[in-house]
Amino acid sequence: ETGVTQSPTHLIKTRGQQVTLRCSSQSGHNTVSWYQQALGQGPQFIFQYYREEENGRGNFPPRFSGLQFPNYSSELNVNALELDDSALYLCASSMGLAGYTGELFFGEGSRLTVL
Amino acid sequence: AQSVTQLDSQVPVFEEAPVELRCNYSSSVSVYLFWYVQYPNQGLQLLLKYLSGSTLVKGINGFEAEFNKSQTSFHLRKPSVHISDTAEYFCAVSEEAAGNKLTFGGGTRVLVKP
Repeated sequence: ETGVTQSPTHLIKTRGQQVTLRCSSQSGHNTVSWYQQALGQGPQFIFQYYREEENGRGNFPPRFSGLQFPNYSSELNVNALELDDSALYLCASSMGLAGYTGELFFGEGSRLTVL
Repeated sequence: AQSVTQLDSQVPVFEEAPVELRCNYSSSVSVYLFWYVQYPNQGLQLLLKYLSGSTLVKGINGFEAEFNKSQTSFHLRKPSVHISDTAEYFCAVSEEAAGNKLTFGGGTRVLVKP
């Protein structure tokens, strides 16, 4: 069974640039969620994708967008980067929505530094 | 809106001593509760969860937690810690109707000393 994998693991960008982060979900999982974890804080929910549709969004501006592909892998795109976007971005996969299963499987994250 | 408060940002503890990490939540609806652990430079791993039933929940690595609805708490305990338990611990809550969206607390860093 393949776990959740994220790429890249680390990257550095400058203010105003755009970034794309990628996530491959665990085998058999059709739901992907993205979380932002700023240094010293708990993860914050960005959005969730279920069967290629956005299904729930946290308090993040529209410059944070995403995609889910037919193989259930996902991308997180952030436009017009700001210094405060520096964080660890975590992807988590799960199976389904109805009757909450109770467990998210997290990747190791992509650490973004914005200079 | 739901929220989670972890009362201790850092807990130093000696090896083989017990540890308790406190977590309180607020929500206007029924919730599911979780504890996750994050080792350095890694993602989050589920320790245990409360969905329904018995309020005492046992998880991996000897951890357990007790759900107290009247006090809106879900404290995590381990009777005897090991050096390898040094990590950051996060309490999280999900509203039953919200699918898999989790709201996390700010985390508690546990440092186990020899």
